Amino acid sequence: QVQLVESGGGLVKPGGSLRLSCAASGFTFSDYYMSWIRQAPGKGLEWVSYISSSSSYTNYADSVKGRFTISRDNAKNSLYLQMNSLRAEDTAVYYCAWGYSFWYFDLWGRGTLVTVSS
Amino acid sequence: QSALTQPASVSGSPGQSITISCTGTSSDVGGYNYVSWYQQHPGKAPKLMIYDVSNRPSGVSNRFSGSKSGNTASLTISGLQAEDEADYYCSSYTSSSTSSVFGTGTKVTVL
Repeated sequence: QVQLVESGGGLVKPGGSLRLSCAASGFTFSDYYMSWIRQAPGKGLEWVSYISSSSSYTNYADSVKGRFTISRDNAKNSLYLQMNSLRAEDTAVYYCAWGYSFWYFDLWGRGTLVTVSS
Repeated sequence: QSALTQPASVSGSPGQSITISCTGTSSDVGGYNYVSWYQQHPGKAPKLMIYDVSNRPSGVSNRFSGSKSGNTASLTISGLQAEDEADYYCSSYTSSSTSSVFGTGTKVTVL
């Protein structure tokens, strides 16, 4: 069964850190780009970051550049998002997403909620 | 990177056809045939409905179709059904940041 399962979300204070994980199954994880996309409560979708299949290339939205780091472990079929210096505006559901091409997303996880609040 | 522009809401009666627009620039929608569309029901993850302007993934109803003219892409839902009531987002590759940019989202209401 093809699926993505995110974990690691929770409540964190402003300035704090959190690491999200995404476990992939049912497809050849190591062959494809992977992405993180977020959705603030009641708001639209925002692309956050992607990583190439071999980790040689990463890209970030300006809103998270320098604070977030995407990584992957192909041996574990897992994707990660290290989030540092968190701000209130980072509060959102974070989705792990996969697609045959990096510019669209065939499969989404259920998401994990990150709340940044004091 | 600015979000692509979509109407906030579109409505129609069962059986009718509706069209949702998605307007960008020559750096995204107008410059590449890399527009995709997503359906999102409340509390659920988005679902890919159309990719590369007009291609439907396996399992998506042929009532959903996509097109593009200039800097504006469109999603048409024909034979509107109650289960089509959801939020819809467009997305496009953008050369300005070599990434994806999403639209502002459209709430579809079935009257």
